[in-house]
Amino acid sequence: KAGVTQTPRYLIKTRGQQVTLSCSPISGHRSVSWYQQTPGQGLQFLFEYFSETQRNKGNFPGRFSGRQFSNSRSEMNVSTLELGDSALYLCASSQTIMNTEAFFGQGTRLTVV
Amino acid sequence: QKEVEQNSGPLSVPEGAIASLNCTYSDRGSQSFFWYRQYSGKSPELIMFIYSNGDKEDGRFTAQLNKASQYVSLLIRDSQPSDSATYLCAGETSGSRLTFGEGTQLTVNP
Repeated sequence: KAGVTQTPRYLIKTRGQQVTLSCSPISGHRSVSWYQQTPGQGLQFLFEYFSETQRNKGNFPGRFSGRQFSNSRSEMNVSTLELGDSALYLCASSQTIMNTEAFFGQGTRLTVV
Repeated sequence: QKEVEQNSGPLSVPEGAIASLNCTYSDRGSQSFFWYRQYSGKSPELIMFIYSNGDKEDGRFTAQLNKASQYVSLLIRDSQPSDSATYLCAGETSGSRLTFGEGTQLTVNP
């Protein structure tokens, strides 16, 4: 059974640009959550999607957005990139909502220069 | 107060010893708790979850939950150098999202 797949693995962008990250959950999993991980802040919750609906949102500015498609694949978008957006972005999938086991993808390492 | 707090590290134990990792949480409504292991440069890997008060054992790992004290712990018996990693405690907080602690870096010395 394939795990959670995130693409791309690495990304370098310039300040002011926008970026789209993709996440394909484990087959059969309908819940996808996104996290930002930085050395100083640890793992911070961005948002959670279930059945194409955003169920939960963390404390991030509106530049961070996401969506989920009917096949449960999810994308997150960051617009007007700032240097502080440099981080590891992790996607986690679970069968239903997040009180069941969540499995992480390998992450996308975003560097903003 | 942070929603999920872990004991400050780093923690260093000799090979074969018991490593004890601790976590407290502030949301009394939290029902589920998870322990993840993260090797340097890798993504978090789920190793244990616990929903009920008491102990839950899985091989060399034991998770303990005390809801009255709002305390979660992870014991690693017979620690191995391969257990050296950062351990993340996570609780299901309001809105059924996972809130993570800062992590405790564990080093097992041969």
